Amino acid sequence: DGGITQSPKYLFRKEGQNVTLSCEQNLNHDAMYWYRQDPGQGLRLIYYSQIVNDFQKGDIAEGYSVSREKKESFPLTVTSAQKNPTAFYLCASREVMIPTVDGYTFGSGTRLTVV
Amino acid sequence: ELKVEQNPLFLSMQEGKNYTIYCNYSTTSDRLYWYRQDPGKSLESLFVLLSNGAVKQEGRLMASLDTKARLSTLHITAAVHDLSATYFCAVARAKLTFGTGTRLTIIP
Repeated sequence: DGGITQSPKYLFRKEGQNVTLSCEQNLNHDAMYWYRQDPGQGLRLIYYSQIVNDFQKGDIAEGYSVSREKKESFPLTVTSAQKNPTAFYLCASREVMIPTVDGYTFGSGTRLTVV
Repeated sequence: ELKVEQNPLFLSMQEGKNYTIYCNYSTTSDRLYWYRQDPGKSLESLFVLLSNGAVKQEGRLMASLDTKARLSTLHITAAVHDLSATYFCAVARAKLTFGTGTRLTIIP
């Protein structure tokens, strides 16, 4: 079955450490997105990519970095510059060239905690 | 900048009652989505609304869109406990912008 896989489900980061969250999709979608969700709040866009080897900053990109070397993969690195990284991170994808009513497909999320 | 506002933020309602969640947005959009999120889980897609006057229904939930008023509503009919969750609207232009969510609790 096609879908988006995020790993790990839970991740613990020490102060000053960089960590990378994985997002892989086998839906052949062009666009991929990273969102951050804090407790009791909505989702905020970190980065997005509409095509391989290209990506744009979202609303809260500071302290994060991404790459899009392959169509199916869009890893997110939380750097030491991100001072408050504890949150729930969701990855999503969407077919851009042939939009469908279904729209966005979301992964199951990674919960990152600073220890 | 596109802004999406939902109200209420919290909603406690008794089983069997009806209520409406409102989603206002600030600029024109391509489409509007409604999602459900259970605690600690990802988003479940409920509806996508494409055009003015669009209405979609699934079970006890009905969503509508008024693009002239920049308003979407999610109406809950005869609420049951299983509908307890957080509901988000999201508006799509170049990217998807989410509302703050409505935490719905259904009380027996």
